[in-house]
Amino acid sequence: DSGVTQTPKHLITATGQRVTLRCSPRSGDLSVYWYQQSLDQGLQFLIQYYNGEERAKGNILERFSAQQFPDLHSELNLSSLELGDSALYFCASSVQERGFLNEQFFGPGTRLTVL
Amino acid sequence: GENVEQHPSTLSVQEGDSAVIKCTYSDSASNYFPWYKQELGKGPQLIIDIRSNVGEKKDQRIAVTLNKTAKHFSLHITETQPEDSAVYFCAASTEGGKLIFGQGTELSVKP
Repeated sequence: DSGVTQTPKHLITATGQRVTLRCSPRSGDLSVYWYQQSLDQGLQFLIQYYNGEERAKGNILERFSAQQFPDLHSELNLSSLELGDSALYFCASSVQERGFLNEQFFGPGTRLTVL
Repeated sequence: GENVEQHPSTLSVQEGDSAVIKCTYSDSASNYFPWYKQELGKGPQLIIDIRSNVGEKKDQRIAVTLNKTAKHFSLHITETQPEDSAVYFCAASTEGGKLIFGQGTELSVKP
């Protein structure tokens, strides 16, 4: 158990809908990262937050957005869902965003299925 | 752009043998190289990492080597056991923190 929690574990929804994925980082971790894992694209970085502020963006679609709240939990919002958005979504956290405390620990993931 | 190539994509070994997985990265600014193990239905688990100021690191049966000049790093697992069977991912990052992952290696250890 990494200490990172994600809810829900599974999510099934229809095209065009909007969903919210939630992540609670390890106690004491300030940085949160979101990754998408699909069969064809592998593990891809989406976005990073550090202490409530956006720090880096990767291949995140405009239909996707995220935020990190004052209690450091984070939410990833996916809207206007398409079939191709079906994937595993992982959250990871680290103490710092750089330097010797930037080891990332992953949560168990949310499996999103868009029908 | 940033890219990490990982080989082989599948690897089958007999229990007790060694397994080696190799990765190549493109961004010369990369300075942190973690390895993750992912079991079915679970999230990636950090098993070992190495930073650019170190050439080799070992933790029991697992070791990682880094060749910065060639931009290569490798994972070595000795005395493999059936519970080592999983998908292994290498990754690279710069000071910015985001991880660029390799495509993964499915390791199968046959008893």
